[in-house]
Amino acid sequence: GAGVSQSPSNKVTEKGKDVELRCDPISGHTALYWYRQSLGQGLEFLIYFQGNSAPDKSGLPSDRFSAERTGGSVSTLTIQRTQQEDSAVYLCASRLEGALGGYTFGSGTRLTVV
Amino acid sequence: TQLLEQSPQFLSIQEGENLTVYCNSSSVFSSLQWYRQEPGEGPVLLVTVVTGGEVKKLKRLTFQFGDARKDSSLHITAAQTGDTGLYLCAGANLNSWGKLQFGAGTQVVVTP
Repeated sequence: GAGVSQSPSNKVTEKGKDVELRCDPISGHTALYWYRQSLGQGLEFLIYFQGNSAPDKSGLPSDRFSAERTGGSVSTLTIQRTQQEDSAVYLCASRLEGALGGYTFGSGTRLTVV
Repeated sequence: TQLLEQSPQFLSIQEGENLTVYCNSSSVFSSLQWYRQEPGEGPVLLVTVVTGGEVKKLKRLTFQFGDARKDSSLHITAAQTGDTGLYLCAGANLNSWGKLQFGAGTQVVVTP
C-alpha cells in the first residue's frame, strides 16, 4: 500500500484480556519496527523485524508481549493478560533495509486497558 | 533515561516569530532525524542528517547536526499556525539495526 496501515485505530479492553494489534507495512519494506508511545515517556522501541525474523526484541517489556511477521509483510503484536500500564499508543514503522533514511510510521493503535 | 534530551519541552509563540528546538546527547549517532507528530497521527519524517556540521534547509525550517554528531537543532523562521505539533528528534546507529532512540519531544504551539 501507499502507507503503513495499522488496525484497529482504537482498542479498549478489560484488564487480563489478550489483544492483537496489526501492522501492514509499505510493500517492499523489509525492515519493520514496533514502538510504544506513552504520555510523558516518548517513543520506546519494542521490536525490530528483518523480513520474518526478529533479531532485536530487546524492547519488549515482559513475556506477555510477543510479535510475529509473516510473508515479510504483515506483523502482529500480541499482548497477553493486559495490564493498565500497557495503555499507550502502539506505533508501527517500516523502511527500506540498509538505508539510514527515515521511517514511515502508521497512525498507531491507541490501547486503553480498563 | 532519555539518551536524547530535547529542550524546551513546550514552546508557545505567535505567528511570524522564530523558534529553535534543541536536541542533545552524550552519545554519537550515525544519523539524526527530525519528525513532526500531530494528534492521532504517527510521526512524519522532516529530515535526516548524517554528516557532522551538516545544515539542511526545508523552506522555513533549518536543521543543523553538530560537528561531533551528538547534537542537533531545528530552527523555524516566521512560524505559521500549521507548524503547530510535537517535534521529535531521533538518533540511529549503523550497528543497531536502524533502531531509533527518541527524545521526549517539544510541543510547539503557534497562535494567530
